Amino acid sequence: KNEVEQSPQNLTAQEGEFITINCSYSVGISALHWLQQHPGGGIVSLFMLSSGKKKHGRLIATINIQEKHSSLHITASHPRDSAVYICAGRNTDKLIFGTGTRLQVFP
Amino acid sequence: EADIYQTPRYLVIGTGKKITLECSQTMGHDKMYWYQQDPGMELHLIHYSYGVNSTEKGDLSSESTVSRIRTEHFPLTLESARPSHTSQYLCASSAANYGYTFGSGTRLTVV
Repeated sequence: KNEVEQSPQNLTAQEGEFITINCSYSVGISALHWLQQHPGGGIVSLFMLSSGKKKHGRLIATINIQEKHSSLHITASHPRDSAVYICAGRNTDKLIFGTGTRLQVFP
Repeated sequence: EADIYQTPRYLVIGTGKKITLECSQTMGHDKMYWYQQDPGMELHLIHYSYGVNSTEKGDLSSESTVSRIRTEHFPLTLESARPSHTSQYLCASSAANYGYTFGSGTRLTVV
């Protein structure tokens, strides 16, 4: 069993749909990161969370420390949101990565 | 605008060649990392550094080596490249209470 698990593995959506990606972790972490990786390979850091909720544009990330669970929401999804979304737990200055969720948004 | 730079972006080389992948950051971050990622797969930590003259091997065994002579520079070297080294190599940096910043990656192909 992975220490950081994501669901779903693959997700397809129509433009405009509300999207949720879930992340559960079984190890102690000081923060949880949400990352976005486009087909070109580069990675962009979307959020770093240690509690509560953060919002940036159409993206919202939440974390429940007691339940060891985090969610990434995308409102009004757009084809340019198509990417792999990765959650990662920060443990003693190292990241423990989930397996990623491949999102495709169709026009 | 990227604050962490990796070069080259793509590299195709022959077996047995020595190569160095460059990574530089302008944020003054103490911590730097090298990850290896095969297509469609997870990232694996191969090297990290907590500061100048500090380098450690990561969770995934790698035949590469790294150095950290200056805070901003963390190059990765393969003394003798092999086809099994074909992969994407991503560099990242972080600081206390700060998120991670990733480079664009180097996609290496050894033929």
